[in-house]
Amino acid sequence: DAKTTQPNSMESNEEEPVHLPCNHSTISGTDYIHWYRQLPSQGPEYVIHGLTSNVNNRMASLAIAEDRKSSTLILHRATLRDAAVYYCILRDVWGAQKLVFGQGTRLTINP
Amino acid sequence: DTAVSQTPKYLVTQMGNDKSIKCEQNLGHDTMYWYKQDSKKFLKIMFSYNNKELIINETVPNRFSPKSPDKAHLNLHINSLELGDSAVYFCASSEDRRGNTEAFFGQGTRLTVV
Repeated sequence: DAKTTQPNSMESNEEEPVHLPCNHSTISGTDYIHWYRQLPSQGPEYVIHGLTSNVNNRMASLAIAEDRKSSTLILHRATLRDAAVYYCILRDVWGAQKLVFGQGTRLTINP
Repeated sequence: DTAVSQTPKYLVTQMGNDKSIKCEQNLGHDTMYWYKQDSKKFLKIMFSYNNKELIINETVPNRFSPKSPDKAHLNLHINSLELGDSAVYFCASSEDRRGNTEAFFGQGTRLTVV
């Protein structure tokens, strides 16, 4: 699985949008971009994934650059409950049989 | 109704003992995984099973032996526990092995070896 690069930590304020960046310059054409998060003392939780087009779900939006070498997870209105470590992971649609977690971005939300 | 459930949640045991962690998923998924999260919080894959067949073994010591009696269960047995085995172990499942499927994780089992 191709590697991703994320900032170690980010901070934001409650009720404001949060943009979490991820670089994946060696992404291949069959790699899906996945985002997971891990809240304190819990297991990782799926957030969203996409291939080429931007994606929206009830938790977040995923904006994918046109060249696919970077992506941004958008939390539209952060709450205290969104404080977690966010992981950006690439998975080949046919070859990947596992999630390879990096160090992720630790997101702190200020009240 | 918990999708992926692990038992026990906490496990404290002495060095040299043998212990098991159980995992069950009620999602009808074909693929199940064991991950280990160490004290530095890195999450690493240990094993993956697809329809009861082992498909990933990430150079885990032989003391760790996964067993999948059916595709809804993936248990982890650890022999001769060592201090370095202390970690949080997460079970997960996904619909299948394809890279466009999401994985569901259990709440973890915190293993402490003393």
